[in-house]
Amino acid sequence: ILNVEQSPQSLHVQEGDSTNFTCSFPSSNFYALHWYRWETAKSPEALFVMTLNGDEKKKGRISATLNTKEGYSYLYIKGSQPEDSATYLCASHYNTDKLIFGTGTRLQVFP
Amino acid sequence: AAGVIQSPRHLIKEKRETATLKCYPIPRHDTVYWYQQGPGQDPQFLISFYEKMQSDKGSIPDRFSAQQFSDYHSELNMSSLELGDSALYFCASSPRAGRSPYNEQFFGPGTRLTVL
Repeated sequence: ILNVEQSPQSLHVQEGDSTNFTCSFPSSNFYALHWYRWETAKSPEALFVMTLNGDEKKKGRISATLNTKEGYSYLYIKGSQPEDSATYLCASHYNTDKLIFGTGTRLQVFP
Repeated sequence: AAGVIQSPRHLIKEKRETATLKCYPIPRHDTVYWYQQGPGQDPQFLISFYEKMQSDKGSIPDRFSAQQFSDYHSELNMSSLELGDSALYFCASSPRAGRSPYNEQFFGPGTRLTVL
């Protein structure tokens, strides 16, 4: 059974703090890693798709790295803002298109 | 930009009733995926369709069936509903270009099903 894990489960930070969280996934037959940002009552929004070991992607204040050999990805948020409050989901996929999701990290940024 | 549309957004049913959830993919997307997210759980893949044919199957109960129609919309039919079927049901679509890992899946807002 393929299992994707995310930590921490939840995180509370002050506005302006930088933060990061982890996604761990089985590295065998790995194909790609997706990060999604999901605000309550909205659709999960795709942030990044990464495939290659050592990949780094950046979108504004959010960036992500990928280590396919050891099976982990980090998501970083620099200078967190209240509007960054959301659940951040990672999902991996292997030799099919279906995504295996982690349980998410719920981020709350306080002004 | 057009997004994935799901209807209804909320549905309340009694045990043993039937429910039908609909998903309208982004125009020109020919692949549809269904996911189920129970309370406090991560989304679980149910089933997917490519060009109206089932392309992959996950942990979908036998009481559930799904299909994709000629206009690429998909319906998830759920019969003999049980309390444990209460969940958020997401649909996602993607433009299939082989098995490219860059085929992002774009998610709809979900249908929240409550079984009483």
